[in-house]
Amino acid sequence: KNQVEQSPQSLIILEGKNCTLQCNYTVSPFSNLRWYKQDTGRGPVSLTIMTFSENTKSNGRYTATLDADTKQSSLHITASQLSDSASYICVVSDRGSTLGRLYFGRGTQLTVWP
Amino acid sequence: EADIYQTPRYLVIGTGKKITLECSQTMGHDKMYWYQQDPGMELHLIHYSYGVNSTEKGDLSSESTVSRIRTEHFPLTLESARPSHTSQYLCASSETQTRTSGNTIYFGEGSWLTVV
Repeated sequence: KNQVEQSPQSLIILEGKNCTLQCNYTVSPFSNLRWYKQDTGRGPVSLTIMTFSENTKSNGRYTATLDADTKQSSLHITASQLSDSASYICVVSDRGSTLGRLYFGRGTQLTVWP
Repeated sequence: EADIYQTPRYLVIGTGKKITLECSQTMGHDKMYWYQQDPGMELHLIHYSYGVNSTEKGDLSSESTVSRIRTEHFPLTLESARPSHTSQYLCASSETQTRTSGNTIYFGEGSWLTVV
C-alpha cells in the first residue's frame, strides 16, 4: 500500500534554532517528492520538489534531502523564525499513471516560540 | 505567487442547501484538482480534470460534482449539503507533468465549509 509517514507529528522549537522533519514513504514506482508549507487556514505553498536523481535541494533556509534507496526524505530548517510556524507536508508522486497520483502525509505541525 | 483563487473563503449553510465553491486560475494550467482536508489530517483528492470537458472522481468518495467548461474555471457543487460535508476544500492546478520531472502544484487558499 502506498503511504507517506511523517515525524514528528508536532514540534516546538525556539526562534533561531534549527530543526529537521522526517518523511518516510512506500510509494512505488516513485516519481518525485515535494515539501509544502501550510499556514493555518491557508492553502499549501510549495517549498521544494525533488526527482529520483536529486539528493538535496535548497530554498532559502529550507533544505530538503532525498534518499530514494531507503525511501526517506528530510526537511531541515535553519535559523528558525516565528513565521516558520506552520504545518509541513510531505507529498510523494508515483509515475504509474498519467495523473502522477499524489500521496500526502499528515504533516508535521511546527511551532516556533520567541 | 500562485494565481489561483477560491470563493467563498468561509461559508456556513443549513442542511439541504445547494452550494457551489468557485475556483479559478489564470496560469493556463490544464490540470485542476479538488482536495478535501479535515483539521490535522492529510489532503484527499475528490475530483480532478485534465482539461476542458474532462473530469474524474478522485480517491475519496464524495457526493459533490464538478464541471470544466473553461480552462480557467473548475467549480465544485454540493446539491444537498449535510453536516458530514463540513470540511476545508482546496482547489489546485498544475501544468502537465512529464514522466521524468515534477512540476509545481499551486493551491488556492481554501474554502472552509460548515453545514449546520
